[in-house]
Amino acid sequence: DAGITQSPRHKVTETGTPVTLRCHQTENHRYMYWYRQDPGHGLRLIHYSYGVKDTDKGEVSDGYSVSRSKTEDFLLTLESATSSQTSVYFCAIRFYRDTRYEQYFGPGTRLTVT
Amino acid sequence: DQQVKQNSPSLSVQEGRISILNCDYTNSMFDYFLWYKKYPAEGPTFLISISSIKDKNEDGRFTVFLNKSAKHLSLHIVPSQPGDSAVYFCAASVGGAQKLVFGQGTRLTINP
Repeated sequence: DAGITQSPRHKVTETGTPVTLRCHQTENHRYMYWYRQDPGHGLRLIHYSYGVKDTDKGEVSDGYSVSRSKTEDFLLTLESATSSQTSVYFCAIRFYRDTRYEQYFGPGTRLTVT
Repeated sequence: DQQVKQNSPSLSVQEGRISILNCDYTNSMFDYFLWYKKYPAEGPTFLISISSIKDKNEDGRFTVFLNKSAKHLSLHIVPSQPGDSAVYFCAASVGGAQKLVFGQGTRLTINP
């Protein structure tokens, strides 16, 4: 099983404060992703990375930035959190196994912005 | 503009019967499709995938059907079991599980 951890698992923060979420993988996969899950929207891609220092925007990237200085860590930063960023955030890695591609997801971070 | 749609928010099925979950997409560039299952407070778990060069893929109790002309895919679960109760998401991508576009999800409840 691919190893992904996310930290913190839960966070409550105030509007206007910066927040950083961390995704850590143990298997050296090249591709990493950040999604958010909201009721009625499924999961939506925020940003993704295709290598160290190589990142690109997803569908809902406004208000978020990312960094990847090491293969194993992918950080998501909310520079100034807003209530609309209250959500559950999932990190994922992409890999090839048993003749198929898939994305494997971490356990999620529940973020509440008050 | 929702490129991937699951029009049924919920589905209730009796244990032992077939569960059929549906998904429609609009982007004809999508060439790889996946189904995920999600329990509360956990990350989505991969179930099964299909490439656009196929129209069917089976894995145990799970079968995915792809109708490219209708831009429609479905997931069949036979027989349905209580542990199948979860939210199911379909997802689509261009080029092998690259940036995934998800549907809104369907909550499946298996009744004893």
